[in-house]
Amino acid sequence: DAKTTQPPSMDCAEGRAANLPCNHSTISGNEYVYWYRQIHSQGPQYIIHGLKNNETNEMASLIITEDRKSSTLILPHATLRDTAVYYCTEYNFNKFYFGSGTKLNVKP
Amino acid sequence: DAGVIQSPRHEVTEMGQEVTLRCKPISGHDYLFWYRQTMMRGLELLIYFNNNVPIDDSGMPEDRFSAKMPNASFSTLKIQPSEPRDSAVYFCASSLGRGASSYNSPLHFGNGTRLTVT
Repeated sequence: DAKTTQPPSMDCAEGRAANLPCNHSTISGNEYVYWYRQIHSQGPQYIIHGLKNNETNEMASLIITEDRKSSTLILPHATLRDTAVYYCTEYNFNKFYFGSGTKLNVKP
Repeated sequence: DAGVIQSPRHEVTEMGQEVTLRCKPISGHDYLFWYRQTMMRGLELLIYFNNNVPIDDSGMPEDRFSAKMPNASFSTLKIQPSEPRDSAVYFCASSLGRGASSYNSPLHFGNGTRLTVT
């Protein structure tokens, strides 16, 4: 069962930062939060993950609240190619739980 | 790294027929997962293997579904007999485990098999 909640859709202007929120209020102390995205007709692609510290890689930044019950994925300069469904997932006991995701529409 | 390879990409079959989906995981990965994606239910985990052994098949919808992993480089998901409600995109994913830990390396997904049962 999905344990994360995300807004169904968001719009972002090309070149601007996209901030995608996720609530994972049932997360336990040792569960990681992972983010994936799925571009139409492809398999989900890994973006970033974290436990309690903020993380950054070449694709995005991840901000996790101190109580770990929510997080925000930040795409600093969104491009049209970032249009996709973004999934916030919990990893627990070898299982990744995918919610319904957020459809990010990047507009020119 | 060729990534996770699934075949076929598309499968159209008639109700009652047997369907076999195939997956080749990334070399060296010891976990393999089968997911199903539909508009109504999203991404659902069906079953996963560790070192070729099925660990959790609680997501398999019913006895018509079966999965095998005869070796580290090949897995199959079989539906017999198929029904129209089985129409979905089936994804295979693999990852590298890190033992008894809350952390696992990210999933690497194939591009899926789109199954249509008429």
